[in-house]
Amino acid sequence: AQSVTQLDSQVPVFEEAPVELRCNYSSSVSVYLFWYVQYPNQGLQLLLKYLSGSTLVKGINGFEAEFNKSQTSFHLRKPSVHISDTAEYFCAVLRVNNNDMRFGAGTRLTVKP
Amino acid sequence: GAGVSQTPSNKVTEKGKYVELRCDPISGHTALYWYRQSLGQGPEFLIYFQGTGAADDSGLPNDRFFAVRPEGSVSTLKIQRTERGDSAVYLCASSPTTGNYNEQFFGPGTRLTVL
Repeated sequence: AQSVTQLDSQVPVFEEAPVELRCNYSSSVSVYLFWYVQYPNQGLQLLLKYLSGSTLVKGINGFEAEFNKSQTSFHLRKPSVHISDTAEYFCAVLRVNNNDMRFGAGTRLTVKP
Repeated sequence: GAGVSQTPSNKVTEKGKYVELRCDPISGHTALYWYRQSLGQGPEFLIYFQGTGAADDSGLPNDRFFAVRPEGSVSTLKIQRTERGDSAVYLCASSPTTGNYNEQFFGPGTRLTVL
């Protein structure tokens, strides 16, 4: 089965600074990769996804992620964060032609003024 | 249009009681998923429906958990003889179709507390 490791449980950062949220996965077969964001008391919202093709994926709210097959990583980046980016971020992996998406434990991003 | 809705938003029950959690998917979405999110953890897959049938229930933790989707739209997650360890946020998601992946749209969740 596939698994996901989010290397940082909490990431504090100042407003307008760059940020990287790290994600590593494990799978013996091809996978799709996702980043979701969860704002307080709200459902999960898809930020971006990698299905195939270009390894650099751009998502909503200025976020992007790069799929690195050799390092089995899918790190999320944003060059300049805003206070409103404060939320919980989840990396997820789905085996191709499967249905049980596996999520990491989450990274809480806190943007300070 | 309306997103995925879940009711109730909060449910407090006593150990040993039976609970039902409801999910209304986005209209027209054929795939429906249930997840459980414990405190400090990511969502954990429970069960997936394609239409009316449970295509994959491998994530259900034991036979106290059961889910139905009789008309291929609304789904109900049923938990018998609740235990304190069942306390979590139960998330529902729906998707237009499966196979070649489509985005899963999540509801806000039902927070279940078992006293």
